[in-house]
Amino acid sequence: EVQLVESGGGLVQPGRSLRLSCAASGFTFEDYAMHWVRQAPGKGLEWVSGISWNSGSIGYVDSVKGRFTISRDNAKNSLYLQMNSLRAEDTALYYCAKDSLADYHDSSGYPEYWGQGTLVTVSS
Amino acid sequence: QSVLTQPPSASGAPGQRVTISCSGSSSNIGNNYVYWYQQLPGTAPKLLIYRNNQRPSGVPDRFSGSKSGTSASLAISGLRSEDEADYYCAAWDDSLSGWVFGGGTKLTVL
Repeated sequence: EVQLVESGGGLVQPGRSLRLSCAASGFTFEDYAMHWVRQAPGKGLEWVSGISWNSGSIGYVDSVKGRFTISRDNAKNSLYLQMNSLRAEDTALYYCAKDSLADYHDSSGYPEYWGQGTLVTVSS
Repeated sequence: QSVLTQPPSASGAPGQRVTISCSGSSSNIGNNYVYWYQQLPGTAPKLLIYRNNQRPSGVPDRFSGSKSGTSASLAISGLRSEDEADYYCAAWDDSLSGWVFGGGTKLTVL
């Protein structure tokens, strides 16, 4: 059974940093691309970032480029999101999602399984 | 403002059939597969339809998807109370080089 468990969320002041983690199990982590998707309170889903199986391809939504960094450690079956220069508009529930294929930008693939999310609140 | 456009709400009585639309452009729906996710209250999104009209194992055949040009639809037949949820369409966007979602449709079973 695929399991994705996010952690690292919390309350942080604007301009500060936070690092999210996602522990994966139940599948061969190194074979699949991964994503971060967020959902602001009461709002819809927004794709944040994706990373291919070997970290060779990485992408971000424009609003986080230069501030967020996605990474993965296949030896530890873990996905990360380093978030710097946080803004109030980054407040959201952040989901980790497993892709169905190895490359996140392969349009034949898709976010297949989702974790339960970790809440990030940016406020002074 | 979401890249894909969905109606904010939809409703139907138990047993009825409802459809939810999703409108995009040539850079997303027009050139790529469409996906549908169901989000029950307080839970994570769950894949409902993949590659326009395919159902993952375990998803009832009451749910069906279709695509035509730059638009797509999700149909739910034999509506049940447990279908009350938010539904999101999604697609890869070639111009943005990223995934885009619709704003979501809240389905109410009357």
